Amino acid sequence: DTEVTQTPKHLVMGMTNKKSLKCEQHMGHRAMYWYKQKAKKPPELMFVYSYEKLSINESVPSRFSPECPNSSLLNLHLHALQPEDSALYLCASSQAFRQATLLLSSYEQYFGPGTRLTVT
Amino acid sequence: AQTVTQSQPEMSVQEAETVTLSCTYDTSENNYYLFWYKQPPSRQMILVIRQEAYKQQNATENRFSVNFQKAAKSFSLKISDSQLGDTAMYFCALENDYKLSFGAGTTVTVRA
Repeated sequence: DTEVTQTPKHLVMGMTNKKSLKCEQHMGHRAMYWYKQKAKKPPELMFVYSYEKLSINESVPSRFSPECPNSSLLNLHLHALQPEDSALYLCASSQAFRQATLLLSSYEQYFGPGTRLTVT
Repeated sequence: AQTVTQSQPEMSVQEAETVTLSCTYDTSENNYYLFWYKQPPSRQMILVIRQEAYKQQNATENRFSVNFQKAAKSFSLKISDSQLGDTAMYFCALENDYKLSFGAGTTVTVRA
């Protein structure tokens, strides 16, 4: 199984709403990622979790709150978003390697189909 | 900082012909991975091919092959015998320490 699943496929929310995006993988990967992608642009990294701990936050506004409840699941909680946050949100996962206290390179990332988010 | 440059915003190719996409990058690391990802209009990002920087041999995956020139920091993708299903946006990416740095992308259109 080389699949990363994301729900919902589409989400429309108002600026005062609270919603969550969900991502799941069953490949035994220990690194998971959230990306934001605007139309015809490359994905922009938002967060990286490795071994269920947040290891990278690319200075993302606090209205985006990630959560990794277990090694297979990754959530992105959304609150008080702005219209410019409308985008495709991609989840990805990869193997992760650890040697002693070093977190080494993560190998290739497998992407989910994304959630198309519209903020009104 | 790592940068990836794709200088061809769009390319068009006739079915069954060959097309080459260019990619250059800059990094101060010695160990890294390079990838080509494909994103069809249906939007799911799919890994096309992977190259480890320490390997001199160019990676090949069926009709897809790369020309990896480490000293020149160049990593081009060749699509042979193009098929209509190859129509997509192609991203070159450099990976180091969990971070993927993407190029701006090249939109490839395969004409019937």
